[in-house]
Amino acid sequence: SQKIEQNSEALNIQEGKTATLTCNYTNYSPAYLQWYRQDPGRGPVFLLLIRENEKEKRKERLKVTFDTTLKQSLFHITASQPADSATYLCALGTGTASKLTFGTGTRLQVTL
Amino acid sequence: DSGVTQTPKHLITATGQRVTLRCSPRSGDLSVYWYQQSLDQGLQFLIQYYNGEERAKGNILERFSAQQFPDLHSELNLSSLELGDSALYFCASSATAGTGYANEQFFGPGTRLTVL
Repeated sequence: SQKIEQNSEALNIQEGKTATLTCNYTNYSPAYLQWYRQDPGRGPVFLLLIRENEKEKRKERLKVTFDTTLKQSLFHITASQPADSATYLCALGTGTASKLTFGTGTRLQVTL
Repeated sequence: DSGVTQTPKHLITATGQRVTLRCSPRSGDLSVYWYQQSLDQGLQFLIQYYNGEERAKGNILERFSAQQFPDLHSELNLSSLELGDSALYFCASSATAGTGYANEQFFGPGTRLTVL
């Protein structure tokens, strides 16, 4: 069956370091992958999109990689700040169907 | 602020009851998506409407139904409620139908449903 896995354990890092979050998938051929940020009790907020023919995408302090051979996406936040503390969700889209399938998210905690 | 509005913010009701959740998409967006988020299940896609027509269906129970009106707002109806239906319900909108497009979705603030 299709599966999207994100590290369910919280990631704790120190301010200023680079946070790296992982999204692995199986039995899925996504046409694109998206990353969202979600704060407690609030709706997810779109951050970045990467298509299957792209290896890397950047936006300010954010970087996403997409390896369709490894079936994995990595999400990096450089020079992390306490304000980056949130849950980060990856979501896959096939391009032929309109729905997104979300992973369960990884909670990031950035401490001073 | 995503531009997507949802009402009510909180809803407390009893088992067996029926409730209606309402969503207004961003101005100009034709697609509306409904999601359920509970602690143990994560964000689960329920259903999508595009310009008034049902476009995709996910893990939506038969007790649940939705529709999109000509003014593009959408309602999610939940009936014969059970304790397990307690969750956050999110509505999202996007400009396109999603098919063949990488559809960035804009989420509303959610409705927290508590079934007692």
